[in-house]
Amino acid sequence: NAGVTQTPKFRVLKTGQSMTLLCAQDMNHEYMYWYRQDPGMGLRLIHYSVGEGTTAKGEVPDGYNVSRLKKQNFLLGLESAAPSQTSVYFCASKTGTETGELFFGEGSRLTVL
Amino acid sequence: AQSVTQLDSHVSVSEGTPVLLRCNYSSSYSPSLFWYVQHPNKGLQLLLKYTSAATLVKGINGFEAEFKKSETSFHLTKPSAHMSDAAEYFCVVIPMGGGATNKLIFGTGTLLAVQP
Repeated sequence: NAGVTQTPKFRVLKTGQSMTLLCAQDMNHEYMYWYRQDPGMGLRLIHYSVGEGTTAKGEVPDGYNVSRLKKQNFLLGLESAAPSQTSVYFCASKTGTETGELFFGEGSRLTVL
Repeated sequence: AQSVTQLDSHVSVSEGTPVLLRCNYSSSYSPSLFWYVQHPNKGLQLLLKYTSAATLVKGINGFEAEFKKSETSFHLTKPSAHMSDAAEYFCVVIPMGGGATNKLIFGTGTLLAVQP
């Protein structure tokens, strides 16, 4: 019972490089989210998706793109990485009910030099 | 505007003593409230949630929280701390109509240290 799986778990990039983080969930959840976590700032929403083929901007979307071509996968892309994007990234998913529990992956630690 | 405030960024207790982690919220309507726990290098895990039923909510690992509308608070408590409780705790508010999309609001977290 995998739940929410994120790959890779760690990555180091140079400024200007691109990369994609993959999130996969096996719970048939409609909603998926990408957050970033920085010290003292809690979790901030980057992008989210309410279903296959849909995406929307969250609180801090600049510099990121996402895609949800399959219901179970939610990809987060950085086209040109910047040091300000050094962070821990978390993917989460939930059912469509308003008060449904968020299930989180274990995080992807990204360092941009 | 909706918001959530965790009043302490760090709390340190001795093993076997009570735990109190404080959370206040601001919401125009009766919100849904959650506490999540994050152990080192792990994702967040749900501890408990309040969704307008009983005001005293029991969660996993002996934690509970009481919703107090008059004080706009949802403090997390545990009678006796265990070493394994050392983690970061997040209070989350979902204003009415905001749960499915992007309106989950996270507090900035409280880091709980448990001393032997």
